[in-house]
Amino acid sequence: AQSVTQPDIHITVSEGASLELRCNYSYGATPYLFWYVQSPGQGLQLLLKYFSGDTLVQGIKGFEAEFKRSQSSFNLRKPSVHWSDAAEYFCAVGEGQGAQKLVFGQGTRLTINP
Amino acid sequence: SQTIHQWPATLVQPVGSPLSLECTVEGTSNPNLYWYRQAAGRGLQLLFYSVGIGQISSEVPQNLSASRPQDRQFILSSKKLLLSDSGFYLCAWSPGAYLRGEQYFGPGTRLTVT
Repeated sequence: AQSVTQPDIHITVSEGASLELRCNYSYGATPYLFWYVQSPGQGLQLLLKYFSGDTLVQGIKGFEAEFKRSQSSFNLRKPSVHWSDAAEYFCAVGEGQGAQKLVFGQGTRLTINP
Repeated sequence: SQTIHQWPATLVQPVGSPLSLECTVEGTSNPNLYWYRQAAGRGLQLLFYSVGIGQISSEVPQNLSASRPQDRQFILSSKKLLLSDSGFYLCAWSPGAYLRGEQYFGPGTRLTVT
């Protein structure tokens, strides 16, 4: 079965600093990969997705992620974080025929220092 | 555009009482529908998913059940709540025909069992 590992439970960065959130997956074939963001008490919002093609994908809110097959990774990056980026971030991999189900990592909580 | 609704937003129920959470999707037809639970400080656990009316797949054996009486309606139920049922319940949908795996989440229901 597929699995997703987000090694960092909690990350703190200063406003304006760069950000990289790590995600490693376990999947035999070409995966469908996703990053979601969740603000406290809210649902999840899709930031970006990778299905095929260009391994560097752009998302909303200035985020990007790079798929590296050799490392089984799909790390999320942002060059300069804003206080509003403080949230929980989840990486997910599609599973099943047509990726009907998603397997989520445990999440990384991002705190922004002013 | 598509929207997903969940209600109620918050719910406090005593142990042993019944439960009914409702999720509806607008602006699409024949979606895949999902129920997740998110315990405090944890990731998302897929509870049920449905690819069509009356078709329910259960991921985790427990005292919860799900039903899909209409194409865009998904209901999560329990006959007798347990303390361990407390959590944040999220409904999600994905384009069934598209089969790409990206899911879109509702605002969630915070359930506290006392």
